[in-house]
Amino acid sequence: DAGVIQSPRHEVTEMGQEVTLRCKPISGHNSLFWYRQTMMRGLELLIYFNNNVPIDDSGMPEDRFSAKMPNASFSTLKIQPSEPRDSAVYFCASSLAGTGTTFFGQGTRLTVV
Amino acid sequence: TQLLEQSPQFLSIQEGENLTVYCNSSSVFSSLQWYRQEPGEGPVLLVTVVTGGEVKKLKRLTFQFGDARKDSSLHITAAQPGDTGLYLCAGLYTGTASKLTFGTGTRLQVTL
Repeated sequence: DAGVIQSPRHEVTEMGQEVTLRCKPISGHNSLFWYRQTMMRGLELLIYFNNNVPIDDSGMPEDRFSAKMPNASFSTLKIQPSEPRDSAVYFCASSLAGTGTTFFGQGTRLTVV
Repeated sequence: TQLLEQSPQFLSIQEGENLTVYCNSSSVFSSLQWYRQEPGEGPVLLVTVVTGGEVKKLKRLTFQFGDARKDSSLHITAAQPGDTGLYLCAGLYTGTASKLTFGTGTRLQVTL
């Protein structure tokens, strides 16, 4: 199994631009999570989906952030417009609900200049 | 807000030393997990503890869940350079289903 696949691994963009992060969860997993990690705030849950349905988006910082899961094998996290304070490593993770084991991707390091 | 505090934040030790990392909360967990994260990678699950007072061992790593299920510790015996990384505890609180809340992290460096 290839694990959770995220793209791109690195993204550098200018303030005000739209950024789209992509995630392919592990096949068969029905829960998908988007996390953000910074030195100051650690690892924060932004949103999670069960069976492609958003369950809890209370961690999404503001309306500039949106996430979709059009099918069981793909999810996107979009930031529009991006700001320098959005610079962080964004992780996607997936699990099979009830197993208690969450698998993380390698992350996307986003830098907004 | 449910907070998970880890201590210490940073730890630099020499190979062969023992160490303990702590994870504390004011709330009760339904279960707690420990992860290790290496630079440029995502966190990797080490262990899950569920029962108050539970102790689990993974080679030189010993994990303990507090009796009241509000705290946990990770003890490493005879640390090796390969143990270097960021150690994160993560709690599942009763009623939050799949929602893991991560601790503040402990960055461990083991030198020769």
